[in-house]
Amino acid sequence: GAVVSQHPSRVICKSGTSVKIECRSLDFQATTMFWYRQFPKQSLMLMATSNEGSKATYEQGVEKDKFLINHASLTLSTLTVTSAHPEDSSFYICSASSGSAYNEQFFGPGTRLTVL
Amino acid sequence: SQQGEEDPQALSIQEGENATMNCSYKTSINNLQWYRQNSGRGLVHLILIRSNEREKHSGRLRVTLDTSKKSSSLLITASRAADTASYFCATDRKGAQKLVFGQGTRLTINP
Repeated sequence: GAVVSQHPSRVICKSGTSVKIECRSLDFQATTMFWYRQFPKQSLMLMATSNEGSKATYEQGVEKDKFLINHASLTLSTLTVTSAHPEDSSFYICSASSGSAYNEQFFGPGTRLTVL
Repeated sequence: SQQGEEDPQALSIQEGENATMNCSYKTSINNLQWYRQNSGRGLVHLILIRSNEREKHSGRLRVTLDTSKKSSSLLITASRAADTASYFCATDRKGAQKLVFGQGTRLTINP
């Protein structure tokens, strides 16, 4: 199956700093990438959808100025959490889709963000 | 609400038994997919069933879909300790790429 990587896998930062998370599709071109966050023992909540070369579409309630998404190429999307606060601590997961009719998404291993 | 419902929320069974998890959703769908997530890890795609399909098998997995009841079930037969994980269903609508996830079922297989 298709492989999606995320980097870093874990990050601890101080409150007020910005953190960048990378999502890469390793063996296919991802026309669309998705960013989710997941709180402990909860389900995945979609934050935004990004298409290569265009602006991301954010879900209701997600601050686009706080969660900056860039999808500069067909294999890389980045999520930057700006001015992070402890409430931003979460598990962030990306997925990538090649745009097939079956809409199969391939998920990265996730990034655990802890804001002190 | 973005979320569908899954039941049970948690299920604990003995190794070798069958595990059944259910998922209900609210809108008409194009596909329904099941994913597994081990603690602190990403999601692994298990199986996809299209809206015009009623049943699908993959190894020890059996998925059913009842679009009239807007529900699906995932059956894992002859469970193993390695099946311990959270299981999520996810649906998408025709023309839309985004997935809507269920709340998930935490499955524990006791050796």
